[in-house]
Amino acid sequence: DAKTTQPPSMDCAEGRAANLPCNHSTISGNEYVYWYRQIHSQGPQYIIHGLKNNETNEMASLIITEDRKSSTLILPHATLRDTAVYYCIVRASYNNNDMRFGAGTRLTVKP
Amino acid sequence: SQTIHQWPATLVQPVGSPLSLECTVEGTSNPNLYWYRQAAGRGLQLLFYSVGIGQISSEVPQNLSASRPQDRQFILSSKKLLLSDSGFYLCAWSEAHSANNEQFFGPGTRLTVL
Repeated sequence: DAKTTQPPSMDCAEGRAANLPCNHSTISGNEYVYWYRQIHSQGPQYIIHGLKNNETNEMASLIITEDRKSSTLILPHATLRDTAVYYCIVRASYNNNDMRFGAGTRLTVKP
Repeated sequence: SQTIHQWPATLVQPVGSPLSLECTVEGTSNPNLYWYRQAAGRGLQLLFYSVGIGQISSEVPQNLSASRPQDRQFILSSKKLLLSDSGFYLCAWSEAHSANNEQFFGPGTRLTVL
């Protein structure tokens, strides 16, 4: 699976959009981009995933660059409850048994 | 809807004592099951995964073992705990044979070995 690079920490003002970047320059054509988050002392929570098209759901939007070497998770209106560690993961579609979590980005939403 | 349970929520055990952590899933059949460990301030490390009853794959050599006695039950065990076994243990499940499957995590067990 491709390796991802994320900034270790970010701050965001409450009510503003939080844009979390992820680099995955060695991603393969069959690898999806997944985003999870982990609120302190809880298990990770799935947010969104995509292959090459931009995706949106009730939690967030995922923007994947045309060359697929990077992506951005967007929380459109961050709240204090969005404070968490956000993990960007790439995984091959055939590899159902491996989700490699790195260190992630610690997002702090401030009032 | 599907739910995943883990217990206990917290556990303090002395070095050398045995360990048994249990994970059960409801509302799905033949799930893929996973055990992860998270050391303090670190990312998650995959320990074991299972695609069916009695089928266990180990990702890293360690002091722990896993078993799947029933379709929706996954157990993490140790005969003798080490200090380095302390951490946050997470069980997860995903649908089998699905290319886009996400993993759903349980609430975790925080283990402290003294």
